[in-house]
Amino acid sequence: DTEVTQTPKHLVMGMTNKKSLKCEQHMGHRAMYWYKQKAKKPPELMFVYSYEKLSINESVPSRFSPECPNSSLLNLHLHALQPEDSALYLCASSQVGQRTFYTEAFFGQGTRLTVV
Amino acid sequence: GDSVTQMEGPVTLSEEAFLTINCTYTATGYPSLFWYVQYPGEGLQLLLKATKADDKGSNKGFEATYRKETTSFHLEKGSVQVSDSAVYFCALMMDSSYKLIFGSGTRLLVRP
Repeated sequence: DTEVTQTPKHLVMGMTNKKSLKCEQHMGHRAMYWYKQKAKKPPELMFVYSYEKLSINESVPSRFSPECPNSSLLNLHLHALQPEDSALYLCASSQVGQRTFYTEAFFGQGTRLTVV
Repeated sequence: GDSVTQMEGPVTLSEEAFLTINCTYTATGYPSLFWYVQYPGEGLQLLLKATKADDKGSNKGFEATYRKETTSFHLEKGSVQVSDSAVYFCALMMDSSYKLIFGSGTRLLVRP
């Protein structure tokens, strides 16, 4: 099973709303990632969790708040977003090998977020 | 810094044509190389990978060979189908790194 599952598939939210994106994997991967993808662009890394600890924050605004409750789950909490935050949000996971070598990432189907 | 350059798209082909999508990279060491595919409205799927020089990755009729001397990882397929229409991303990852570095993506359109 090489599946990363994201919910919801689509989300429309107002600028004052609070919402959460969810991601789940059962591949035993100990690294999980959030990426943001704008139209016609490659994905941009936002956060990396390794062994349930936040290891990388790529200078993401605080209106995005990640959470890793356990080794299979990853959430992204959204609050006070702006219309320019509308994008496809992708979750990914990968193995963490010896000496922190990260193998290839497996991506979910993404959540299409629209901020109105 | 490390980077990936892909050919500009869209690439438009007729069904059963031969496909090449060029990818070159710049890296300070010896990266692992990947091709990801993104079908319309979907996430990214890992298509193939190569972890060292002269490795050939292959999957679903697609192939790419890691060429250290030309710093390239071109994607090829002998006979494309309409269902291959998608955006293809070349990417690299350095050893002991968390970060995938993507090219800009190449859109492939296959006409019946």
